[in-house]
Amino acid sequence: DIQLTQSPSSVSASVGDRVTITCRTSQGVTSWLAWYQQKPESAPKLLIYDASTLQSGVPSRFSGSGSGTNFTLTITNLQPEDSATYYCQQGSSFPVTFGQGTRLDIK
Amino acid sequence: EVKLVESGGGLVQPGGSLRLSCEVSGFNFDYFVMAWVRQGPGKGLEWVASIKKDGSQRFYVDSVKGRFTVSRDNSKNSLYLQINSLRAEDTAVYYCARVLAPTWLDSWGQGAQVTVSS
Repeated sequence: DIQLTQSPSSVSASVGDRVTITCRTSQGVTSWLAWYQQKPESAPKLLIYDASTLQSGVPSRFSGSGSGTNFTLTITNLQPEDSATYYCQQGSSFPVTFGQGTRLDIK
Repeated sequence: EVKLVESGGGLVQPGGSLRLSCEVSGFNFDYFVMAWVRQGPGKGLEWVASIKKDGSQRFYVDSVKGRFTVSRDNSKNSLYLQINSLRAEDTAVYYCARVLAPTWLDSWGQGAQVTVSS
């Protein structure tokens, strides 16, 4: 199985800041990587797929990059509603696997 | 509006069974692969099972093989997960989700709580 390791596990930032979350895969997944946002008591929401394609309706302050084994999710101009846990997911091979999550708190 | 609504969750004793249902609306159900994803208390996400558009192929994570069965009824716009031989570690919120090829989960239900306890 492909393991996904996210860093940091948690981060705190202020409104207007820029935050970067990384996801490293144990094997190369080319660009088969997605990012999800999950708020408490809610289902996850797809933000980015194919490593860098923004899902319809997602604000442009979210962006993704990377290929192979190293990927990043960047959020610019942080907003209070961005407080959530973020997960990466690989779709290169079964079983599909997720990272352990990164909790983002807004100060 | 795309909508997915799970039902059938509950409290069950170890070794027991449950059948989760997911009724969808707002899109052509038979055009999409569908999946079940679970999240244990305070834990991350785990892809549990998925099924092709016509039900011809199913995938299961190793930890549920032989105990869980995913199925669908395209005439009823419904997805199912039969869960047998339940264990404490199966306690989780179970989400049904629509799969945007190849494996991206672009629409989710609200989740169904399954608690395994004596």
